[in-house]
Amino acid sequence: GQNIDQPTEMTATEGAIVQINCTYQTSGFNGLFWYQQHAGEAPTFLSYNVLDGLEEKGRFSSFLSRSKGYSYLLLKELQMKDSASYLCAVLSGGYNKLIFGAGTRLAVHP
Amino acid sequence: EPEVTQTPSHQVTQMGQEVILRCVPISNHLYFYWYRQILGQKVEFLVSFYNNEISEKSEIFDDQFSVERPDGSNFTLKIRSTKLEDSAMYFCASSELTGGGTEAFFGQGTRLTVV
Repeated sequence: GQNIDQPTEMTATEGAIVQINCTYQTSGFNGLFWYQQHAGEAPTFLSYNVLDGLEEKGRFSSFLSRSKGYSYLLLKELQMKDSASYLCAVLSGGYNKLIFGAGTRLAVHP
Repeated sequence: EPEVTQTPSHQVTQMGQEVILRCVPISNHLYFYWYRQILGQKVEFLVSFYNNEISEKSEIFDDQFSVERPDGSNFTLKIRSTKLEDSAMYFCASSELTGGGTEAFFGQGTRLTVV
């Protein structure tokens, strides 16, 4: 089966660091994406991991451990505009369908 | 910057009616997708389309649904005999290549409300 788990909600303070975890069990794996989604809007690409390790991109970093079926998204220097849902998605199959987790709703407070 | 465009942004339809959701993928992209997101739930894969045919579809994508690329630019999702539970945000996406690392670009979505 296909299963992607991430926390439902998280809160953090402006300027702080937050880590959003994702565990997955899928029948195929071509990589893992993190997307940001504001309410009522489309998902927008944040990061991609296919090899184990850390990928850094400005204030955002993403980590992957394929043997553990585990990834995290790290957001540094949080800003109010980072309040959104963060979607973990596994790329699966020959035609690259994305299998999404339910998303983690992050609320950033002053 | 190239983007995926979807029309209409909102669609209200009566139960039992047919709707067509339209998408214009990014011009050099070859792989096209439809996803849906019921309010408060996760984004779900519906169908992928390549070389003018369906390459993969989910269990959700039953005979009620069909996709078409009627010309060189548009990619449509038709929902026949809509039901209340079809109310959702429908996202079109496209990617240039397949294989690892190819980012799917999402359109802004069509919010379908079935009444």
